[in-house]
Amino acid sequence: QVQLVESGGGVVQPGRSLRLSCAASGFTFSSYGMHWVRQAPGKGLEWVAVIWYDGSNKYYADSVKGRFTISRDNSKNTLYLQMNSLRAEDTAVYYCARDPEDIVVVPSAWFDPWGQGTLVTVSS
Amino acid sequence: QSVLTQPPSASGTPGQRVTISCSGSSSNIGSNYVYWYQQLPGTAPKLLIYRNNQRPSGVPDRFSGSKSGTSASLAISGLRSEDEADYYCAAWDDSLSGSVFGTGTKVTVL
Repeated sequence: QVQLVESGGGVVQPGRSLRLSCAASGFTFSSYGMHWVRQAPGKGLEWVAVIWYDGSNKYYADSVKGRFTISRDNSKNTLYLQMNSLRAEDTAVYYCARDPEDIVVVPSAWFDPWGQGTLVTVSS
Repeated sequence: QSVLTQPPSASGTPGQRVTISCSGSSSNIGSNYVYWYQQLPGTAPKLLIYRNNQRPSGVPDRFSGSKSGTSASLAISGLRSEDEADYYCAAWDDSLSGSVFGTGTKVTVL
């Protein structure tokens, strides 16, 4: 079955970096766009970034633009989120999610399925 | 920050119908599909409605979605205790070049 498993979360000091990974299985990873979505403790959902199935296009939320980089390795069926210059307000559970339409070139807010999430805590 | 506005809470007794609104603008709901997600306590969100009013397989037909202009709504009929959850609408925003979520609505079954 389609499965997404995030890893790489933890406690990090403000200003430092962290890289999250999302291992995909059960589908042809290289055919699907992928997203990162986060949720601060007790708060709502916030979309973070999207990458096209082939890595040709990437879009970011204004809150992370210039600090976070989304990437993928289709040979390893893995999605990444490189997070630099971390701030306290980046503390959240980070979910990876798939766009369920294959070879999509028109972006949408269609996320299915989602991973279980990985917690990132930015604190000194 | 959330660009789509939802009521913070909604409630009903078992069997009742509950409706959740989602208000946006011409750059998001007005020009793109709307999606709805259900988040049960302590779990990851789950797709509930896609492309305004389509239900994925496995989602009960008690859940229905609609869209008109720059607003959308989710209706839950025949409310059940297991429907207690947070519900979020989402859409792509052409001006922001990104997806946006609603503020979220907590549904309580009385």
